[in-house]
Amino acid sequence: EVQLVESGGGLVQPGGSLRLSCAASGFTFSSYTMNWVRQAPGKGPEWVSCISSNSGFIYYADSVKGRFTISRDNARQSLYLQMNSLRAEDTAVYYCVRGVSITIFFPGDVWGQGTTVTVSS
Amino acid sequence: EIVMTQSPATLSVSLGERASLSCRASQSVSTNLAWYQQKPGQAPRLLIYDTSTRATGISARFSGSGSGTEFTLTISSLQPEDFAVYYCQQYNDWPPFTFGQGTKLEIK
Repeated sequence: EVQLVESGGGLVQPGGSLRLSCAASGFTFSSYTMNWVRQAPGKGPEWVSCISSNSGFIYYADSVKGRFTISRDNARQSLYLQMNSLRAEDTAVYYCVRGVSITIFFPGDVWGQGTTVTVSS
Repeated sequence: EIVMTQSPATLSVSLGERASLSCRASQSVSTNLAWYQQKPGQAPRLLIYDTSTRATGISARFSGSGSGTEFTLTISSLQPEDFAVYYCQQYNDWPPFTFGQGTKLEIK
């Protein structure tokens, strides 16, 4: 079964850091682009970042540029999101999303169940 | 940044009827548009991509149309499991990849 499982969310104070992880199974992770997408309570999804299959291409939303870092370990079939200088507006459910191919980031055809990040004092 | 606008915000339709959901882009996205379905407490699920291609395992009751800036998701003969929130997303001009704010489909 193709699956993505996120972890690492939690409650953090403003200015703090968190590292999210996404474990992939059931497919050849190194053959796909990957994304992080977040969704604040009651809002639509917001794309955060994407990374190509070999990590050669990385992009960020302006709202997180300079604070978040996406990375992947193909040997471990894992995707990561290092989040620093967290703000209240970063509070959301964070989803790991698979792109449809080795070169295409979206559409996202497989989504994890999400991990919740709450930034509050 | 391309802004995606969905209408209406809420759509009330009876079981067995047809629903048409609209999505408008602030500039042309060609046919690089996807639709997702999201139920409470779940992640979004890919329904349609490239405007009109159904994703794997998606019922033929779901169809997509449009091009450029105007798109429609049509759900024929609504079933109880179809009541959810639907989002459109463009992937033509990026970054960023942008989503609409959603249409909530509810039972009339």
